[in-house]
Amino acid sequence: ETGVTQSPTHLIKTRGQQVTLRCSSQSGHNTVSWYQQALGQGPQFIFQYYREEENGRGNFPPRFSGLQFPNYSSELNVNALELDDSALYLCASSLAKKQGLGFFGQGTRLTVV
Amino acid sequence: AQRVTQPEKLLSVFKGAPVELKCNYSYSGSPELFWYVQYSRQRLQLLLRHISRESIKGFTADLNKGETSFHLKKPFAQEEDSAMYYCALTRGDNFNKFYFGSGTKLNVKP
Repeated sequence: ETGVTQSPTHLIKTRGQQVTLRCSSQSGHNTVSWYQQALGQGPQFIFQYYREEENGRGNFPPRFSGLQFPNYSSELNVNALELDDSALYLCASSLAKKQGLGFFGQGTRLTVV
Repeated sequence: AQRVTQPEKLLSVFKGAPVELKCNYSYSGSPELFWYVQYSRQRLQLLLRHISRESIKGFTADLNKGETSFHLKKPFAQEEDSAMYYCALTRGDNFNKFYFGSGTKLNVKP
């Protein structure tokens, strides 16, 4: 079992609300990536953080924002939730930028009603 | 535009039969290709990457730049190979953004 932990595992929110998802990286990993996986689709890149700085962003609106903390844990914040934001949100941590996606968390299932 | 296509949503084979999971990509540049696997009730995990040229759990994948394909193969399927398989690519000089296909569910029947 890897050391990447996401919380919460499940979440139900109302349209228009805000949500914060959390990711605790594998020990020593300084890079974290966030992905959105809609039902029946592959993961879609949201953004990556390397040593607390954003290192690339996918095609997501600004209401998707993130943070990486000095201990390399990370948060994904989504404002003004829409029904289409319902998905599984995955984080993955790795030791270095060029290592690619190291270990994935179990995901947070977000349902927007 | 970058795109990864896995044409089969579901592939069913009998135990001991050969398996080929198809992956085609479009990318302007020099990509690195990967296969990820998700077993039932487990996390997504790396199966193999082209750059390593290794065989994991009997699976291999050959990058064909002419056909822009990176098919995953195994000569003799096992029941424990049943899982969801995702092909993915990233820029060879960056590795920050991965593009995933929509996945193929492999079902190995006894």
